[in-house]
Formats: sequence, C-alpha cells, structure tokens
Amino acid sequence: GQSLEQPSEVTAVEGAIVQINCTYQTSGFYGLSWYQQHDGGAPTFLSYNALDGLEETGRFSSFLSRSDSYGYLLLQELQMKDSASYFCAVSGRGSTLGRLYFGRGTQLTVWP
Amino acid sequence: DSGVTQTPKHLITATGQRVTLRCSPRSGDLSVYWYQQSLDQGLQFLIQYYNGEERAKGNILERFSAQQFPDLHSELNLSSLELGDSALYFCASSVVASAQEQYFGPGTRLTVT
Repeated sequence: GQSLEQPSEVTAVEGAIVQINCTYQTSGFYGLSWYQQHDGGAPTFLSYNALDGLEETGRFSSFLSRSDSYGYLLLQELQMKDSASYFCAVSGRGSTLGRLYFGRGTQLTVWP
Repeated sequence: DSGVTQTPKHLITATGQRVTLRCSPRSGDLSVYWYQQSLDQGLQFLIQYYNGEERAKGNILERFSAQQFPDLHSELNLSSLELGDSALYFCASSVVASAQEQYFGPGTRLTVT
C-alpha cells in the first residue's frame, strides 16, 4: 500500500521561506506531486518530481530524493494568499499510474 | 478556473437516498478521476475512467458506481446513502491516463441527514 507523512501545520510570516516535508512508503513509486488547496476550494497542481533533484517554478520549488523516499515543497517570499493546505501525492506504476495517493495535508498559515 | 465543471455545487439529502453527481472534464481531456474528501479520511481516490473505459479503482464502496459517457462527461452515483458519505466529492481530469498533473473541478458538497 501507500502511506505519506507530512506535518499537519506550519506557520510563517510574510516574506519568509517555509519548507513542507513529505516522506512516503509506496510500492512501485513513479513520482511525487504537490497540490495546493484553499479552504473549500479545489486542489490545484503545483509541481511534480519524477527524478531526484530540485524543480523550480517561480516562488515554489519541489525536491525529491528517491533513495530516501522523501521530498519537500519550498515556498519563498511568502504572501498572505499562500495560506492554504498543501498536499503531497504519490503515483505508482503499472495499473496504479495516474492514481494519486494524497497525504493528509499541511495547513500553512502566513501571518502579516 | 480549471475548466472542469461539476454539478450540483451542494446537495442535501436523507439517508437511504440515491444521488448522481456530474462532471465535465476540460476540453480535450480523456481521463476523469473521482475523489472523496472528508475530515477523517482526507482526499481519497475513488475511480478513474479513460476514454469511456474504467481504468483504475480505489477505495470505492459497492454502493457507489460511476461511468463515463461518449461525450466524456462522467457521473458518480451514490446509493443507499449513509451519514458517513457526507463529504466533498471532486472530479479531476487530465489528457492522458497516467497524469500526475490533474485538474480538479470545484467539487460537490454532499450532506446526508
């Protein structure tokens, strides 16, 4: 089966940098995705890592270490609008490719 | 706006009833996924269709069923509803069947009383 661990809550101030970690256990790992969800809203895709290393998209970066079954999402120059839940998700191989297994989410609160 | 539409936005019904949730994927997307989000279970994959065919099944109850029609819209049918079925139901779509980048609709909030 699949299991993902991420912190339940993180707080930071505007302009700061925050890192949200995700460790996973899965059979047949294919990739690690990150999604953002504002209260009551739809999850929105942020980034995807299939290979080890850092992927950068504007203020957001995502990192993956396949050997450590670990990844993180790095948010820089935090803004109030970044207050949301962040989910890591893994997808498997074969028949489970495309199926996303989500972590329980990390609630990020950005203070002024 | 992801381009994925879901109706209705809210649904309130009684235990034992049956409801149908509808989803229209983004233009050009062939794959549709259904997810359930509740406080105790988090975001759970239910089922995936690709170009009209069932492709993958997750933790979907036998009381639940889905289908994807020739025009690629999808419906999720929930029957013999229980209080525990109250949740947000999301539909997502992607171009290919193996996409990690999925586009989610606004969801249907189901309340079973």
